[in-house]
Amino acid sequence: SYELTQPLSVSVALGQTARITCGGNNIGSKNVHWYHQKPGQAPVLVIYRDNNRPSEIPERFSGSNSGNTATLTISRAQAGDEADYYCLVWGSTSWVFGGGTKLTVL
Amino acid sequence: QLQLQESGPGLVKPSETLSLTCTVSGDSISSSSSYWGWIRQPPGKGLEWIGTIYYSGTTYYNPSLKSRVTISIDTSKNQLSLKLSSVTAADTAVYYCASQYCSGGSCYGYIYYYMDVWGKGTTVTVSS
Repeated sequence: SYELTQPLSVSVALGQTARITCGGNNIGSKNVHWYHQKPGQAPVLVIYRDNNRPSEIPERFSGSNSGNTATLTISRAQAGDEADYYCLVWGSTSWVFGGGTKLTVL
Repeated sequence: QLQLQESGPGLVKPSETLSLTCTVSGDSISSSSSYWGWIRQPPGKGLEWIGTIYYSGTTYYNPSLKSRVTISIDTSKNQLSLKLSSVTAADTAVYYCASQYCSGGSCYGYIYYYMDVWGKGTTVTVSS
């Protein structure tokens, strides 16, 4: 089965740029979707198909995908961006989520 | 605005069948532009896809759960349902339903339909 690897945690200073990675074998050939999830809430889609933003998501959120790594980039990080972030791909027989990354804004 | 709401028993006994319903509002569950999925999240852990259904009744299941899962759809009530049999403590989780939508490129095939709008989730505990 296909596996995705995310760092357990990422820290970023307020106003700086955070990058959260999602690793998988030849993930660059797949569509990657990203979600954030705040405590006690449902996940919210922030990036779909590698680098597309839903209309309600700020332009500070962007994505890229190449080779064996997809990356979610959050520019000008704000305290409200603190959350768990998950990547998602179709892994040939099932949908697969990454293990999740906790983003801390210092 | 599309909304989804999960409902069902919060406590299920081991070996019994977990049954949940997801009520969709703001869109027709018979829409050809969406699939409908179930995802779960054990306490303190990550997300796991359970399965997905199309309005036609076509289903897709996680191979690791396939032998125990049944997802169905009731277009007259705008609802989808989840049944998970022979539950154990490992099935304790928050269960979410979600619409699966496609945009931003080719939509030729189910694999392009990512989870879009999610319900708030319902907590199910398996315990005697």
